Amino acid sequence: NAGVTQTPKFRILKIGQSMTLQCAQDMNHNYMYWYRQDPGMGLKLIYYSVGAGITDKGEVPNGYNVSRSTTEDFPLRLELAAPSQTSVYFCASSYPTPRTDLRGQYFGPGTRLTVT
Amino acid sequence: QQQVKQSPQSLIVQKGGISIINCAYENTAFDYFPWYQQFPGKGPALLIAIRPDVSEKKEGRFTISFNKSAKQFSLHIMDSQPGDSATYFCAASRSRGSYIPTFGRGTSLIVHP
Repeated sequence: NAGVTQTPKFRILKIGQSMTLQCAQDMNHNYMYWYRQDPGMGLKLIYYSVGAGITDKGEVPNGYNVSRSTTEDFPLRLELAAPSQTSVYFCASSYPTPRTDLRGQYFGPGTRLTVT
Repeated sequence: QQQVKQSPQSLIVQKGGISIINCAYENTAFDYFPWYQQFPGKGPALLIAIRPDVSEKKEGRFTISFNKSAKQFSLHIMDSQPGDSATYFCAASRSRGSYIPTFGRGTSLIVHP
């Protein structure tokens, strides 16, 4: 299994541009998540999905949109990029609940985004 | 509102020493407490997790201690090695219903050779 994959790994955007961060998982997980990570601030939840066709806002959803048309894919859309969106973005997936002590979230390698 | 408070923000330990990272939570409905390890340029990876029906869980050199009455839990890394240098995140969630963990802000651990 490839686990959770993310593309691109790096991207530089100009203010006002738009882009889509891609995320895919091959573990048949119901739940998928998007986080942003800023230095010293931990992981902030942007959006999450409990299954295909179902998405919900997390802690910091403003400026982002998501869709979940399949179990495998969960793209994150940035519209009108702003410097405040400069961050590292992580996609994750999981079962609906922790099935054993070692069944938590599986994270992708991240996308480092700079908006200038 | 920070529901999971993690300390210290950074930690420097000598090789062979014990690294201790602490977390405190507020929501008494939380009943699943994982720790994640993140190396530079990589995504976090689950390291060890505990449920509140036990006070301690050990996996090799990594131990979680849990104090339900104080709403605190900690990660102990015994015989710390330079390869343990990473950022560690604690998290807390409910094990039933929507699995939406709340993360601490992370601890950057450096183990000197």
